[in-house]
Amino acid sequence: NAGVTQTPKFQVLKTGQSMTLQCAQDMNHEYMSWYRQDPGMGLRLIHYSVGAGITDQGEVPNGYNVSRSTTEDFPLRLLSAAPSQTSVYFCASSYAGGYEQFFGPGTRLTVL
Amino acid sequence: EDQVTQSPEALRLQEGESSSLNCSYTVSGLRGLFWYRQDPGKGPEFLFTLYSAGEEKEKERLKATLTKKESFLHITAPKPEDSATYLCAVPRDNAGNMLTFGGGTRLMVKP
Repeated sequence: NAGVTQTPKFQVLKTGQSMTLQCAQDMNHEYMSWYRQDPGMGLRLIHYSVGAGITDQGEVPNGYNVSRSTTEDFPLRLLSAAPSQTSVYFCASSYAGGYEQFFGPGTRLTVL
Repeated sequence: EDQVTQSPEALRLQEGESSSLNCSYTVSGLRGLFWYRQDPGKGPEFLFTLYSAGEEKEKERLKATLTKKESFLHITAPKPEDSATYLCAVPRDNAGNMLTFGGGTRLMVKP
């Protein structure tokens, strides 16, 4: 099992550009989520999904879009990148019945 | 709103010097307290779940304890390989099993 995979590992964008961060899991987990991590602020929930076709907003959803068409994939879209979105982004997945989250290796995004 | 606060932000220890990390929380109803370890450049890795006051969990040199208002991660005779950031978290209300994280404690163990 590859677990949770994320691509790309690093990305530099200019203000106003759009891009999609990819996340995939091969553990047949029902739940998937996106967090961002900034220095001294821990991880903050952006969006999450409890199953294919079902998504909801987390703590900091503005400027991001998600969809979940399959159990395996949960891409995060930045619609118009801003410097405030410079961060490390983590995707996570878990079973519906448990709280143990399995995290991907992260994507380090810089917006100039 | 749930709040999770960790202290200290950073902790330097000599190898073999035991200490404790603190995680204080404010929640409407505790449905668990979670500890994760995060190495530089990697995603967090699950360590422990605690569900009720008085509960303890152990793994190698780490022991997690829980009271009604806080949790401690005790590190006994740490080694350099224990150096990492330790995160605690609680489940969010009405958000599946998503988590609210504290800011983390960066532990550095010198040989």
